Amino acid sequence: AQSVSQHNHHVILSEAASLELGCNYSYGGTVNLFWYVQYPGQHLQLLLKYFSGDPLVKGIKGFEAEFIKSKFSFNLRKPSVQWSDTAEYFCAVSSNTGNQFYFGTGTSLTVIP
Amino acid sequence: GAVVSQHPSWVICKSGTSVKIECRSLDFQATTMFWYRQFPKQSLMLMATSNEGSKATYEQGVEKDKFLINHASLTLSTLTVTSAHPEDSSFYICSTTPDYNEQFFGPGTRLTVL
Repeated sequence: AQSVSQHNHHVILSEAASLELGCNYSYGGTVNLFWYVQYPGQHLQLLLKYFSGDPLVKGIKGFEAEFIKSKFSFNLRKPSVQWSDTAEYFCAVSSNTGNQFYFGTGTSLTVIP
Repeated sequence: GAVVSQHPSWVICKSGTSVKIECRSLDFQATTMFWYRQFPKQSLMLMATSNEGSKATYEQGVEKDKFLINHASLTLSTLTVTSAHPEDSSFYICSTTPDYNEQFFGPGTRLTVL
């Protein structure tokens, strides 16, 4: 069965600090990878996704993620966070033939002005 | 991306009553919809996969008789929480997928059972 691990449960950063959130998955086949963000009181929004091609994916709001197949990882990065980035971040994995998504437990990011 | 709506956005009910939550796909015909449950500060837990015109597929541990899912049309799936109790209080989120590659989420429904 697929599983997704997010090792950082709660991250607190000052504005302008760099961000990296870890995401590891376990699955033997080809996967699609996603990062979703949930701002306080809002619904899930897609930040970025990887299906194939360039393993460095750029998403909205200055976020990017790198797929490292050998490490089964898809870490999320942002060079300089803003207060408005305070939110819950979820990594998700799906097989490229399946119709189920597996979410990580989420990382709560708090950015201090 | 696809637009998904949910109604109501927040419902408060007494213990023992049943509550129906609607999920609508507004701009494409969704043969498959998903229902998730999210506890505070936790991740989304897939409850069931709703298939238009057929029975829903429930995840292990989810009570079929407790959480009734009906997907009668290509744009509407409903989740009915029967005989709700305080432990059913949660955030319920639906999603659709046009091509099984990406899911689009509704805004969620907050259920509070007194």
